[in-house]
Amino acid sequence: GENVEQHPSTLSVQEGDSAVIKCTYSDSASNYFPWYKQELGKGPQLIIDIRSNVGEKKDQRIAVTLNKTAKHFSLHITETQPEDSAVYFCAASISTSGTYKYIFGTGTRLKVLA
Amino acid sequence: GAGVSQSPRYKVTKRGQDVALRCDPISGHVSLYWYRQALGQGPEFLTYFNYEAQQDKSGLPNDRFSAERPEGSISTLTIQRTEQRDSAMYRCASSLDWRGGLYNEQFFGPGTRLTVL
Repeated sequence: GENVEQHPSTLSVQEGDSAVIKCTYSDSASNYFPWYKQELGKGPQLIIDIRSNVGEKKDQRIAVTLNKTAKHFSLHITETQPEDSAVYFCAASISTSGTYKYIFGTGTRLKVLA
Repeated sequence: GAGVSQSPRYKVTKRGQDVALRCDPISGHVSLYWYRQALGQGPEFLTYFNYEAQQDKSGLPNDRFSAERPEGSISTLTIQRTEQRDSAMYRCASSLDWRGGLYNEQFFGPGTRLTVL
């Protein structure tokens, strides 16, 4: 069935260093890949997304890359700050017979050490 | 403006009881999604609506789970004869639309933490 794998499950970095989170997906028809940040006690919030016709997208310190051939995509956070500490989820869109949903990865807990 | 709201925020119930969880999407949002999120896991798709029509319920675990959105706005997820394994965070999300392919941001609510004793 449809599946999104996410690695690593936990990641600790020193403040100012970069963090990379990787995801792979199974459905070759997926064409939209959002990344969500979830802070303690809150719902997931979209931080960046990428469409299948684009290989890379950047927004200030955050970037996402997509390799459709290999069916994997990655989140890159540069110059990490303590407020980047949270759980990050990747997702892939699944569309069948006119319906549309996301399949989420299992999450990465990022800790930025001051 | 107001985001997605859910009520109650916390629900403790005894095994065998029925529960109803409510989601109030962002005004004007056509699509509404229900997810279940276990501790330390990503949101797991349950079902989704466009307007009042339930488009996909493939993620509902069994027939004890049902959802409705009768007027195309507020939605209710009902779990009958609750079991301890139903304990989880239940999250609702809404998006402006689904048409034009697939690119609509889902806004998540704060969730309802369900505990079945």
